Amino acid sequence: DTAVSQTPKYLVTQMGNDKSIKCEQNLGHDTMYWYKQDSKKFLKIMFSYNNKELIINETVPNRFSPKSPDKAHLNLHINSLELGDSAVYFCASESVRGLADLETQYFGPGTRLLVL
Amino acid sequence: AQSVTQLDSQVPVFEEAPVELRCNYSSSVSVYLFWYVQYPNQGLQLLLKYLSGSTLVESINGFEAEFNKSQTSFHLRKPSVHISDTAEYFCAVSVKYNNNDMRFGAGTRLTVKP
Repeated sequence: DTAVSQTPKYLVTQMGNDKSIKCEQNLGHDTMYWYKQDSKKFLKIMFSYNNKELIINETVPNRFSPKSPDKAHLNLHINSLELGDSAVYFCASESVRGLADLETQYFGPGTRLLVL
Repeated sequence: AQSVTQLDSQVPVFEEAPVELRCNYSSSVSVYLFWYVQYPNQGLQLLLKYLSGSTLVESINGFEAEFNKSQTSFHLRKPSVHISDTAEYFCAVSVKYNNNDMRFGAGTRLTVKP
């Protein structure tokens, strides 16, 4: 009964490939996020989705595209992978309505991407 | 935009010693403040948060943090640490009523030694 799950956990691939990372939350939350954590542990927000609408798109290359088939899923698709894309990618979700969990983001376990 | 500075990248301490992890933020508007903990090979977990009200907030495992508006700080403290507290700790800030733009600090690696 994992709250926020990501697949795969590890992803090793060659430069130039296209890959997707999946994220699912079973918390009934209405907002989901993607973060990138680099080798120095710096965590940066990439995207935010609320009710299937993109809210934030930071200075992220357009090779990265979030796709949300429904409220419980936010997948991250990456085209033409580059060496610098190697990082840990975290999905998170949040409810903007529940008082108990107000302003609390729940994170997935992360996907460790290595581009060779 | 808001930003966060964690002044110490690494903090080594002995078991049962007190610890303080420092966090300063900058923002031109009111903020929410958070501490997240990341254990090895895991995702981030919320440790505690300040939204409003009492400036001293506590977690269930003995950590506490105090919001100091005049010093724009939100330092994390624990009077006696355990080996199991070894982890990476992230301070984060978001603008009130706009949590879609949360900014994280660079993290502080807490290592508790026996």
